[in-house]
Amino acid sequence: AQTVTQSQPEMSVQEAETVTLSCTYDTSESDYYLFWYKQPPSRQMILVIRQEAYKQQNATENRFSVNFQKAAKSFSLKISDSQLGDAAMYFCAPQSAGTYKYIFGTGTRLKVLA
Amino acid sequence: NAGVMQNPRHLVRRRGQEARLRCSPMKGHSHVYWYRQLPEEGLKFMVYLQKENIIDESGMPKERFSAEFPKEGPSILRIQQVVRGDSAAYFCASSPILAGGNEQFFGPGTRLTVL
Repeated sequence: AQTVTQSQPEMSVQEAETVTLSCTYDTSESDYYLFWYKQPPSRQMILVIRQEAYKQQNATENRFSVNFQKAAKSFSLKISDSQLGDAAMYFCAPQSAGTYKYIFGTGTRLKVLA
Repeated sequence: NAGVMQNPRHLVRRRGQEARLRCSPMKGHSHVYWYRQLPEEGLKFMVYLQKENIIDESGMPKERFSAEFPKEGPSILRIQQVVRGDSAAYFCASSPILAGGNEQFFGPGTRLTVL
């Protein structure tokens, strides 16, 4: 079974600065996908970024990028030029190829300081 | 195109009562997933349904919990004889195809409080 570890329960970042949220996972699968979801105070789950494990190139979406280290089973999220609206819980979620279940980590609460 | 709709947003029940949570997937989506989020935890998969079929209920407690997705109407997650431990946020997600590597679109959740 997959397990996901987000070792930082809470992080703070100054507005306009950069922050990195860590995620490690354990899987025996060779083909899988990795997601980061954001949950703001409204509790709505919003997809931030997605990475295919077979791709070596790290995914980027505007100010969001990942550092995917497949051998280390690490999938960190970097947020550049942090904005107040980035304040939220962030969940890392692997998903095996050919399945549909997300395995969510326990989350990292990100605070953005003005 | 409206997103995934869930109602009610908040539901309060006393121990022993029944809770019914509804989920209307996005238009054109035929796959529905239910997740439960306990306080300070991530979401945990409960059940995956297609129209009129339960495909995978491996994450759902064997007793008191049931789910359906009828041919017409929303998907329903039903909890009978609720207990305090059922207090949680319940999220529904939908996808147009089997979401292997594809995004699931989440509703706003139903927060269930059991008194």
